[in-house]
Amino acid sequence: GENVEQHPSTLSVQEGDSAVIKCTYSDSASNYFPWYKQELGKGPQLIIDIRSNVGEKKDQRIAVTLNKTAKHFSLHITETQPEDSAVYFCAAQKEGGKLIFGQGTELSVKP
Amino acid sequence: KAGVTQTPRYLIKTRGQQVTLSCSPISGHRSVSWYQQTPGQGLQFLFEYFSETQRNKGNFPGRFSGRQFSNSRSEMNVSTLELGDSALYLCASSLGPGASQPQYFGPGTRLTVL
Repeated sequence: GENVEQHPSTLSVQEGDSAVIKCTYSDSASNYFPWYKQELGKGPQLIIDIRSNVGEKKDQRIAVTLNKTAKHFSLHITETQPEDSAVYFCAAQKEGGKLIFGQGTELSVKP
Repeated sequence: KAGVTQTPRYLIKTRGQQVTLSCSPISGHRSVSWYQQTPGQGLQFLFEYFSETQRNKGNFPGRFSGRQFSNSRSEMNVSTLELGDSALYLCASSLGPGASQPQYFGPGTRLTVL
């Protein structure tokens, strides 16, 4: 069935370093891939998304890449800051389908 | 523009009781989806509503139900509560159904079943 695998489950980096989170999806019909950031006590916040007709998208320090052939997509955060510490979720969706989420990555940015 | 609002924010119930959670979408958004979030199972899709019609349903028992009103506000109901229903229930709204329509989440309702 539909599945999204996310790695790593935890990630610790020093402030200023880059962080990369990777996801793999199983349904080749998926065509929409959002990323969410969830801080403690809050709902997930959409931070960036990419559609299957685009290979890469960037928004300031955040970028997402998509490899449709390999069914992989990744989140890249550059120049990390302590306020980037949160749980990050990837998700995949096909037309007419539901959002399928990865298990989440707990990112810790140490000052 | 105000975000997605959910009420109540916290709820404590006992086994066997029923509960109703409410969600008000972002103004102009007509699609509402519900998710259950637990440490063990992560974020799991419950159902999606658009124009007062359920479009998609996740793999949850019939004790979980929902509805959407003409103003796009939505409610979900859980009957005969079980301990395992303790979770954060999240509502998300989007302009319409389908992929490529970004979903924006509310803060959630934390349900504890004793």
